[in-house]
Amino acid sequence: DVVMTQSPLSLSVTLGQPASISCRSGQSLVYSDGNTYLNWFQQRPGQSPRRLIYKVSNRDSGVPDRFSGSGSGTDFTLKISRVETEDVGVYYCMQGTHWPRTFGQGTKVDI
Amino acid sequence: EVQLLESGGGLVQPGGSLRLSCAASGFTFSTNGMTWVRQAPGKGLDWVSHISPGGDTTIYADSVKGRFTLSRDNSKNMLYLQMTSLRAEDTAVYYCARGSTTLDVWGQGTTVTVSS
Repeated sequence: DVVMTQSPLSLSVTLGQPASISCRSGQSLVYSDGNTYLNWFQQRPGQSPRRLIYKVSNRDSGVPDRFSGSGSGTDFTLKISRVETEDVGVYYCMQGTHWPRTFGQGTKVDI
Repeated sequence: EVQLLESGGGLVQPGGSLRLSCAASGFTFSTNGMTWVRQAPGKGLDWVSHISPGGDTTIYADSVKGRFTLSRDNSKNMLYLQMTSLRAEDTAVYYCARGSTTLDVWGQGTTVTVSS
């Protein structure tokens, strides 16, 4: 299985300040079709997960533009340019290139 | 509105069985792969199983292979997860989600507790 390693596992941020989460995969996530299926999800307290980013850097509809994804191959990053109160929760990366799909351990973000 | 609604969770004894259902609405169910993801209490997300749009291909995590069976009824827009030989470590909230390489829509989850 492809191991997804997130860091840090916990992040305490100041409102209005930036935050960054790293996700590294044990194998390249480039699929044979040329796409890289790396996703980011947000899970607010008591809620279901919500997709934020797909294929490394594509932001979902309704996701604020302070969220951005970047990276390639095995090394990926989720950045929040200015953290707001509603961003509190746990963030997961997930690879959709290899079977079985695998998630990172999650990064807890609080203020 | 695109929606997924899980049901069927509950308390079951170790070794018992349970069938989870996921009702899909607001999109063309028969053209989408579907996935189950679970989350044990206080833990992270754990990918469980996937089924292709036509139902001809299913893939399972090693932890559930041989015990769980995923199926779908495209005429009813329903997804089913038959769980047998349940163990304490299967205790979790089970989410159904749309997709394969990505999971763009999630349900609210149904809770399965395996305990004597």
